[in-house]
Amino acid sequence: LAKTTQPISMDSYEGQEVNITCSHNNIATNDYITWYQQFPSQGPRFIIQGYKTKVTNEVASLFIPADRKSSTLSLPRVSLSDTAVYYCLVALRGFQKLVFGTGTRLLVSP
Amino acid sequence: DTGVSQNPRHKITKRGQNVTFRCDPISEHNRLYWYRQTLGQGPEFLTYFQNEAQLEKSRLLSDRFSAERPKGSFSTLEIQRTEQGDSAMYLCASSSSGTGGKWETQYFGPGTRLLVL
Repeated sequence: LAKTTQPISMDSYEGQEVNITCSHNNIATNDYITWYQQFPSQGPRFIIQGYKTKVTNEVASLFIPADRKSSTLSLPRVSLSDTAVYYCLVALRGFQKLVFGTGTRLLVSP
Repeated sequence: DTGVSQNPRHKITKRGQNVTFRCDPISEHNRLYWYRQTLGQGPEFLTYFQNEAQLEKSRLLSDRFSAERPKGSFSTLEIQRTEQGDSAMYLCASSSSGTGGKWETQYFGPGTRLLVL
């Protein structure tokens, strides 16, 4: 069964750049890759979405290689409030449903 | 507040009871999704609607689960004869329609946390 995998956890310090990668070998040909942030007992919050190459908004960048089998969320200069779980969300080829990644727990320390 | 809202936020019930959750999507969104999230896991897709039509259901959605969106606006998710394994956060999201088969950005509600004793 195709999976969408992420590192379980990452540690960082305030002010550093954090890159979180999601592997999605079986991504649907024409669909977006979306990243969410989730705090405890809250619903996921939209961060960024892209299809290919690079997308940047006011909070993050998203890098997608040409084969689209992975994607990397880049958070510049993280702060303590960025401590959360980060998920990628993709549509998988052969499935008509959406699959969240396994999630990466980011801990930002002072 | 123009975001997705869910009620109740918390529900405690005894095994065997029926429960119903409500989701009010962002008003201009015609797609509505339900997910289930257990502790320490990512959300798992359950079902989605486009307007009032339920277009897909996951195998996770057993016969005890039913979802409706009668007027294409709010949606309800009912679980009959609850089991302890149903304890989870139930998340609702909404989006506009995608073109070319694409899934547009989903915006999530705060979730309903269910505890079955």
